[in-house]
Parts: sequence; structure tokens; C-alpha cells
Amino acid sequence: QSALTQPASVSGSPGQSITISCTGTSSDVGGYNYVSWYQQHPGKAPKLMIYEVSNRPSGVSNRFSGSKSGNTASLTISGLQAEDEADYYCSSYTSSSTVIFGGGTKVTVL
Amino acid sequence: QVTLKESGPALVKPTQTLTLTCTFSGFSLSTSGMRVSWIRQPPGKALEWLARIDWDDDKFYSTSLKTRLTISKDTSKNQVVLTMTNMDPVDTATYYCARTYSSGWSGMDVWGQGTTVTVSS
Repeated sequence: QSALTQPASVSGSPGQSITISCTGTSSDVGGYNYVSWYQQHPGKAPKLMIYEVSNRPSGVSNRFSGSKSGNTASLTISGLQAEDEADYYCSSYTSSSTVIFGGGTKVTVL
Repeated sequence: QVTLKESGPALVKPTQTLTLTCTFSGFSLSTSGMRVSWIRQPPGKALEWLARIDWDDDKFYSTSLKTRLTISKDTSKNQVVLTMTNMDPVDTATYYCARTYSSGWSGMDVWGQGTTVTVSS
């Protein structure tokens, strides 16, 4: 099964909003509301930012929001800050009872 | 406080079997809805989910790797063990364990720091 499709990089200036897309199929992203998003700084473990498409864990800034339309999920970061510069990965449950990740998106704060 | 920590050999030879242990604290894997997964990340590459074990001993494996993987738990020791057979240099990666506490397939909310495994002769 191929990885979910994410743009390799997205950039924005401080204060701006950016959106990262995550495209799958009806057998994963489109078929279930089990899309998660993870933030990973260099040399660190991933951190859960969004679960079940649009829910934020306690302690995650409300500048992070998630959504889904059809086979594509999205992560939006509003009010971009320097600390948001990191790699972001989406993941989804699949019809094979497995989890699939996206290829990752490097977010750069200009 | 929930923590997980991975342990295992830093170096394995090709064809050998890798055994990794995830030792956790702050929760019990006998609690309904508790689940522990293994995920790996080759240097400079994306995350790859490997396997998951649930509180009720249900087990799930990556489709592409399931013939090489075995996941098990020791609830009394608060440990989850992953074995991967027939190791190859392409299996060189940082291996993470992570917890999910929910129904179904929600996000992995707490991750270990990862352990780096190099496969080389």
C-alpha cells in the first residue's frame, strides 16, 4: 500500500496561515474518520497534533486545526510561529486494519 | 505521567533477528482501550507503522512486513516486545513505540524517544 500523498514542503511568513494536504483513497482517508497529524522537530519523537480528523489533544495550540473532504485531509496552522518549523506527517487507518503514514511535509517559517 | 522507552541492540547483522522492548509506565495495558504500536523511521525518511497490540491481545501488522514481525506483551512487566526476523540494511532506522488510548484507531498520543538500529555486517 502506497504512502499517503503530502507536499514535500510548505512555507509561510510569521503570522500567516498555511495548509498541508494529505491525499489518500476511499480505503483509508476517505473511508474513516481516523486521520491524525504529527509534528516532528529534528532529532525528536513525533508529537500528536490532531486526532480523528479535527480533534486537538489537550495542550496543543488552537492555531492547529484539521479537516477532511473526500479522500483528502488537511492540517491548517494559523498565526504561523517560528516554533512551528518542523516536519508534519499525516496518518490514517486503512481497510486492511493497518495504519499508513504520509511522506511528510517540511514546514519552513520564512 | 505516561512514558514509554524503547530498548534493544544498536547494531545487528544481516539475516539476524531483531528484538526490541518497549517499557512503559503511567498506564496499564490491561485497561480497556489501551494499545501500543511500533513505528520506524529510516534516516531522513518518513514514518512507517509496523504493528500494534491491544489490551485484549488483538494484534495487527503492516501488510508488507507481517511475515517478519511478531508483537507480544507482558502486562505484569509493563512491556511490549517486537521481533523482526531476517534483518536487512534497509531496516536501518529509529524504532519508536507509542500509545493509543481510545476506541478504534485514534491517534498515538504518547511516544517513546526512539532507539536507533543499524543493520550492517
